Amino acid sequence: DAGVIQSPRHEVTEMGQEVTLRCKPISGHNSLFWYRQTMMRGLELLIYFNNNVPIDDSGMPEDRFSAKMPNASFSTLKIQPSEPRDSAVYFCASSPLGLAGRKTQYFGPGTRLLVL
Amino acid sequence: DAKTTQPNSMESNEEEPVHLPCNHSTISGTDYIHWYRQLPSQGPEYVIHGLTSNVNNRMASLAIAEDRKSSTLILHRATLRDAAVYYCILDSGGSNYKLTFGKGTLLTVNP
Repeated sequence: DAGVIQSPRHEVTEMGQEVTLRCKPISGHNSLFWYRQTMMRGLELLIYFNNNVPIDDSGMPEDRFSAKMPNASFSTLKIQPSEPRDSAVYFCASSPLGLAGRKTQYFGPGTRLLVL
Repeated sequence: DAKTTQPNSMESNEEEPVHLPCNHSTISGTDYIHWYRQLPSQGPEYVIHGLTSNVNNRMASLAIAEDRKSSTLILHRATLRDAAVYYCILDSGGSNYKLTFGKGTLLTVNP
């Protein structure tokens, strides 16, 4: 089975440009998570969805960031306008809804974003 | 969420067992203990989880102290491919599906 798919794998853009990161979760998984990882701050949860509905977006840094999940098989994370401090690796993860203790998350390979 | 404490780094030799400790002295009775690892240039991957009893799977074993204030991830025979950052995470359960990753332990495996 295919795992979590993210695109693009690498993105280089200039400050002020719009950036859209894409994620296809594992089929049948009900939860989807967006994370950001930097050397300074480690792995941070930005937002997560249950059944396509955003549940917790408290980790979204500011209004420049937005995330959508129009259906169960696709999600986007958009940064507009981008800034150099947004440079990081962005991971998408999915998880099947289940009983407590079974919240295994499956991560994609990540998108490495560099904003010049 | 209850916090965990892990050593910043550990070293091991190939084909030897590795015991990765995690302290979670403020764990509550319903908190599950999860372990993930992140290989270089990859996303984190699930390793194992448990509540009270020791757990084994094909990747590792999880030993949980009787008072649950600490746990140990055991890799029975380390390989070079086990070099990674290992994260110990507490999951408070319920309808909140967030997992909070700390800094983890960087495991170096020497040939």
